[in-house]
Amino acid sequence: EVQLQESGPGLVKPSQSLSLTCSVTGYSITSNYWGWIRKFPGNKMEWMGYISYSGSTSYNPSLKSRISITRDTSKNQFFLQLNSVTTEDTATYYCARFNYGRIDYWGQGVMVTVSS
Amino acid sequence: DVVLTQTPPTLLATIGQSVSISCRSSQSLLHSNGNTYLNWLLQRTGQSPQPLIYLVSKLESGVPNRFSGSGSGTDFTLKISGVEAEDLGVYYCMQFTHYPLTFGSGTKLEIK
Repeated sequence: EVQLQESGPGLVKPSQSLSLTCSVTGYSITSNYWGWIRKFPGNKMEWMGYISYSGSTSYNPSLKSRISITRDTSKNQFFLQLNSVTTEDTATYYCARFNYGRIDYWGQGVMVTVSS
Repeated sequence: DVVLTQTPPTLLATIGQSVSISCRSSQSLLHSNGNTYLNWLLQRTGQSPQPLIYLVSKLESGVPNRFSGSGSGTDFTLKISGVEAEDLGVYYCMQFTHYPLTFGSGTKLEIK
C-alpha cells in the first residue's frame, strides 16, 4: 500500500524558510509524480508544485520565486522548501502522489504556523 | 488561472436524502487529448482529503456507488444518492487540465 508521511517543524519565523519532508513507503518515487498541496485556514486549497519520476519540477507561478521541490531517491523521500515565509503561509501542508490527472494518495498533513 | 466555483457553499441534508454539488469552471476543462480532468475529493474533519471521482465520472477504488459525477466543458455535478452519516465533510472539485492546477472553494455537507 502506498503511504506518505510529512514531517518538519510546526512553527517557522517570518522571513525564514519552511522545510518539509515527505517519506514514501510502498511505492518508488522514481515512478509517477509527487507534490505538495496546502490548505489555508478556512477551506482554500492550493497546489504548490510537484517533482516527476525523472526529477523535473513544475511549480505554481504564484510561488515560483520562493519554492523548491527536491528528492532523495535512495531514501524514497521528497522535500519542500519555501523561502521568505510570511504569516500568509500558515497552512496545513500535504504531500501527495499525482497519477494520470488525479491525486490518488495523500499524506496526513502537517500544520505549519508562521509566527514570531 | 482557472477558477472553479462550487455551489452551494454549505449543504444541510438528512440521512437518505439525495444531494448535488455544482462545480463551474471559468474555462473549458476539455483537454486537447480528449480527456476532461475534473476530480472530486472529500475531506472529513481531521483527515486528509480522500479522492472520490476522477475524469468527471470515474469512481476511485473503494468509493461507494451512491457517489456519481457528471458534466462536461465548464459545468460539473457531484451527486450523492442517499446521504449517509459518514459522508459529512467538505467536498472539493479540482481540475488538472490547465496549469496551475486549481481547486474549488469547497462545499460543506452537514447532516441534520
